[in-house]
Amino acid sequence: DVKVTQSSRYLVKRTGEKVFLECVQDMDHENMFWYRQDPGLGLRLIYFSYDVKMKEKGDIPEGYSVSREKKERFSLILESASTNQTSMYLCASRRGGTNTGELFFGEGSRLTVL
Amino acid sequence: SQQGEEDPQALSIQEGENATMNCSYKTSINNLQWYRQNSGRGLVHLILIRSNEREKHSGRLRVTLDTSKKSSSLLITASRAADTASYFCATDRWGGGYNKLIFGAGTRLAVHP
Repeated sequence: DVKVTQSSRYLVKRTGEKVFLECVQDMDHENMFWYRQDPGLGLRLIYFSYDVKMKEKGDIPEGYSVSREKKERFSLILESASTNQTSMYLCASRRGGTNTGELFFGEGSRLTVL
Repeated sequence: SQQGEEDPQALSIQEGENATMNCSYKTSINNLQWYRQNSGRGLVHLILIRSNEREKHSGRLRVTLDTSKKSSSLLITASRAADTASYFCATDRWGGGYNKLIFGAGTRLAVHP
C-alpha cells in the first residue's frame, strides 16, 4: 500500500523557533510538494521538488525553505516561526514524467505557533 | 493565486439525493482532478479528467469538463452519510518549466441521514 508519512500530526511551537516538518514517501516518486491549508483559502503551494536536491518556489514561499537530500524525503523548514504560520501543512508526492497524474497525500501536520 | 474556484462553498443534502459541485479555472490545463478530504485528514484522489475528455465516470461519481467555459462539475449520485467531506478540484497546468497542481478552496458537503 502506497504511503506518504508526515513525521508529526500536531506540533506547538513558539514564535522565533526553527521548525522542521518531515515527509517521507515509499513509492519512489520523483515529485514532492508542500502545501498549507487554511480555512476558506484551500491548499496553497509552498514549495515543490522534481528531483533530488532540486527545489522550486510555489505560490507562497516566503518564510519557508525546503530540503531534498534523498529521493524519498522532503523537508519543510520554518527558519523563524511566526503566528501567521499557524496552519495545516500537507505533503504530497507523485511520479514524474510528462504523464502527470494524481497526488498522494500525507495525513497532514497541524502546526500552532504561539 | 488560486486556479480553481469551487461553488457552492457549502452544500447540505439528505441521503439518497444527488450532490453537484462546480469548479471554474482561469488558464489552460493539462488535466483537472477532484479530491476528497475527511475532516482533519489528508486528501484522497477521486478522479482525473484530461483536457481532451468531456466526461468521466467512477462508481457513483460523474465528472464533466468544459474547456471552452473553463469549468468542471462533480456529481455524486445517491449520496450517503459517509460522503460527508470537503471536495476540492485541482488543475494541473504547465508553467515555468514544470507541471503544478493548483487547488481551489473546496466545497464542504454534508449528507444527512
